[in-house]
Amino acid sequence: KNEVEQSPQNLTAQEGEFITINCSYSVGISALHWLQQHPGGGIVSLFMLSSGKKKHGRLIATINIQEKHSSLHITASHPRDSAVYICAVSGRGSTLGRLYFGRGTQLTVWP
Amino acid sequence: DARVTQTPRHKVTEMGQEVTMRCQPILGHNTVFWYRQTMMQGLELLAYFRNRAPLDDSGMPKDRFSAEMPDATLATLKIQPSEPRDSAVYFCASGLRENYGYTFGSGTRLTVV
Repeated sequence: KNEVEQSPQNLTAQEGEFITINCSYSVGISALHWLQQHPGGGIVSLFMLSSGKKKHGRLIATINIQEKHSSLHITASHPRDSAVYICAVSGRGSTLGRLYFGRGTQLTVWP
Repeated sequence: DARVTQTPRHKVTEMGQEVTMRCQPILGHNTVFWYRQTMMQGLELLAYFRNRAPLDDSGMPKDRFSAEMPDATLATLKIQPSEPRDSAVYFCASGLRENYGYTFGSGTRLTVV
């Protein structure tokens, strides 16, 4: 069983739709990361959070530590948001700094 | 913008050859990771350095893989001998310290034929 589970695996949306990607984890964490990987492969860090909520433009990330769950929301989605979104968690204690990755959510936004 | 530089971007090699991948972390970052990404397994940690000392290389096949940081500006990942199952994209990432966020390099796409 993976330490980090994401859903859905694949997501297709029409431009303008509100999108939610979910992430659940089973290990103790010091932080949770949302990463974006575009075709061509580069990985960009979108958010790192350990509590509450963060917003950057049309992207919002939330985390519920008690429920071990995080969501990434995209408002007014656009075709350029098409990418793979990866949830990762940083361990704590002896695994501090080590990232555990979800398998990613492939998002396709159609015009 | 500061960036993590990986070389080469692409590498095609024959089975049995030695492969060396290089990573220049962002100046001042003391935490460096090597990850491998495949379609089957997704992203996997291979090795992790803090202040140039290896902290965790449990994800690395020890018989053929080795990771080092000869100095603070260079991390290397070597595969000897390479095998077709090593074909993957290898990413390096660095951070100022744990949980301050990480910056990924563009990756090295390795194909072993």
